[in-house]
Amino acid sequence: GESVGLHLPTLSVQEGDNSIINCAYSNSASDYFIWYKQESGKGPQFIIDIRSNMDKRQGQRVTVLLNKTVKHLSLQIAATQPGDSAVYFCAEEGYGSAGNNRKLIWGLGTSLAVNP
Amino acid sequence: EAGVAQSPRYKIIEKRQSVAFWCNPISGHATLYWYQQILGQGPKLLIQFQNNGVVDDSQLPKDRFSAERLKGVDSTLKIQPAKLEDSAVYLCASRLGADIYTEAFFGQGTRLTVV
Repeated sequence: GESVGLHLPTLSVQEGDNSIINCAYSNSASDYFIWYKQESGKGPQFIIDIRSNMDKRQGQRVTVLLNKTVKHLSLQIAATQPGDSAVYFCAEEGYGSAGNNRKLIWGLGTSLAVNP
Repeated sequence: EAGVAQSPRYKIIEKRQSVAFWCNPISGHATLYWYQQILGQGPKLLIQFQNNGVVDDSQLPKDRFSAERLKGVDSTLKIQPAKLEDSAVYLCASRLGADIYTEAFFGQGTRLTVV
C-alpha cells in the first residue's frame, strides 16, 4: 500500500514464510542502494547493499533485487522470523544535480510484522 | 569495533529552551550525518559533514538549529530555541567516506520531547 503522513505501509507475514518488501526510488542517476532495518528504539541497521551495475545480490537469508528500468528495489527475506519484525527503509545514493556531492535519499519505510 | 555513540539518550525540555546533542562517530570515518526522525517517518537529513567541513545543510532550519564538528571528529547539534514540532529522534551516523560505496552506521539516537 501507499504511505500517507504517519501511516507506514505494513506487511504482515507468518513465521517461516518469505517476505518481500518493495521500494520505488526516484533518481535515475542513483548508483548505490542500501536496505536498513530499524527496530523500535534503535537506530537504523545496515542489512544489504547493491550497486547499479548489479541486478541481484544475496546475503544471509536476504536478497536484494534491482530493476533500473522501472526504478524498483526489493528486499526478500527468506524464512521470516519474529526477530525480523521492524521497519525497513530503502535508501538510494547518487550525485546531485550539480554533480558535486553525493546525496543519500531515504524511502518512506515499510513496517514488517511477523506472526508466530 | 566501537559504534557511533550519542548522548543523551533522552531529553525533555520546555519550548523556547535550548538543547544540545553530542555524537562521537566511528574512528576514521570522514563523513558524519545528523538526521531528524519523526515518529512513523524515515530519517530526514539535517546536515552532512565531510571531515570538519559542511557538505549539505540545505534542510537545516538555520534560524534555530546549528551544528559543528570540531577537528573533524565529534559533533554537536544544538537547537535554540526549541519548538514543539522539534520533538523527534535525532540520529547521528558516520561513514568511511561519502564517495565510497559503503554503508552508514547509526547511533541509538537521542529522543527529544519538547513540552
